[in-house]
Amino acid sequence: AQSVAQPEDQVNVAEGNPLTVKCTYSVSGNPYLFWYVQYPNRGLQFLLKYITGDNLVKGSYGFEAEFNKSQTSFHLKKPSALVSDSALYFCAVRPRTTSGTYKYIFGTGTRLKVLA
Amino acid sequence: DTGVSQDPRHKITKRGQNVTFRCDPISEHNRLYWYRQTLGQGPEFLTYFQNEAQLEKSRLLSDRFSAERPKGSFSTLEIQRTEQGDSAMYLCASSLAGTSGNNEQFFGPGTRLTVL
Repeated sequence: AQSVAQPEDQVNVAEGNPLTVKCTYSVSGNPYLFWYVQYPNRGLQFLLKYITGDNLVKGSYGFEAEFNKSQTSFHLKKPSALVSDSALYFCAVRPRTTSGTYKYIFGTGTRLKVLA
Repeated sequence: DTGVSQDPRHKITKRGQNVTFRCDPISEHNRLYWYRQTLGQGPEFLTYFQNEAQLEKSRLLSDRFSAERPKGSFSTLEIQRTEQGDSAMYLCASSLAGTSGNNEQFFGPGTRLTVL
């Protein structure tokens, strides 16, 4: 079965320190990869995506993500965390299939808490 | 604000009643998606439309669920004979069909359903 794993329910980091939120996937082929952030009472907001090319992709609000094909991982990173980055982060995968599915498969989410 | 709107934002109903939710996508987006999110989980795909055609349905979408997008613009999701297990956040998303099909999905704020 296709799946996305976010192994940490919560990540705590001090403001100003680098942060990493982990994501691994079990999806055949070369899927499209996405990160979304969810703030309370708000919808999911798109952060960044990996389609092809450079393994390091840059996105909104200073976030970036590193794609590792051999480890089937797509970890979210930021060099210097802000208290305002505290939110729920979701990794999502869209399989590339001959049938052309457009559904996303989401991980269970990681709550990021940035401490002042 | 992503531009995807959902109505109502909250719905409380009694078991056995029917409910209908509406989603208005970003105006130029021709793909529309429905997901369901329960507490502590990531969104799970239910169905998607390209224009007015419903092209994919998840096995999660039992025969009590029906979705429509009659004119290729707004969509409705109806749940008949609601059960307590239907309690969840129902998310709508939309995207633009690009030549490579990798355009990200933009999510609405969701409709939170509580079945008593």
